[in-house]
Amino acid sequence: KNQVEQSPQSLIILEGKNCTLQCNYTVSPFSNLRWYKQDTGRGPVSLTIMTFSENTKSNGRYTATLDADTKQSSLHITASQLSDSASYICVVSAYVPNSGYALNFGKGTSLLVTP
Amino acid sequence: DSGVTQTPKHLITATGQRVTLRCSPRSGDLSVYWYQQSLDQGLQFLIQYYNGEERAKGNILERFSAQQFPDLHSELNLSSLELGDSALYFCASSVAFTSDNTDTQYFGPGTRLTVL
Repeated sequence: KNQVEQSPQSLIILEGKNCTLQCNYTVSPFSNLRWYKQDTGRGPVSLTIMTFSENTKSNGRYTATLDADTKQSSLHITASQLSDSASYICVVSAYVPNSGYALNFGKGTSLLVTP
Repeated sequence: DSGVTQTPKHLITATGQRVTLRCSPRSGDLSVYWYQQSLDQGLQFLIQYYNGEERAKGNILERFSAQQFPDLHSELNLSSLELGDSALYFCASSVAFTSDNTDTQYFGPGTRLTVL
């Protein structure tokens, strides 16, 4: 079973509307959580990185939240634009003693913003 | 444009062959990461190098190997290729190496490998 689950799998919203994407994880011990935006056929672009002590981080119209107690994160997109159409990937890093870290990837949420 | 370059952009080869993918990190970045992205597996971390040394290993197969050269460019070697190795291979770079892996990574455009 994947240790990082994202929902919904896909989402269609109207331009200008807000939306929230979810990421639930079971990864332990937790080190940090990243959200990436990936346009089709292109490399992912980092949106936010949050460590255990951070519960909110913003990057323009993107705001990520982290609840380390419930092991949940969300990515909120405000006033969506057509260019927000992309796949959003949640990545949770686990600390591995003597080895560094292990990365656990969600399958992504595919977002389509329509005019 | 992230500043990370990857060559070639596309590669078509046959099963059993060997290929080399090349990555040049952003100017000043010392860490290089390799990822594989396929339709069924999603994005997977393969390996990280920092200033020429291997620092972290993910789901990299024994048929795959990588290295980072003194000029900091990196190569990913894939051998005895199988149909299932068809995927997008991304390279990313970051300024340094942090033990908690919180460095921002900048991804290249990827190399699309097709194994026939």
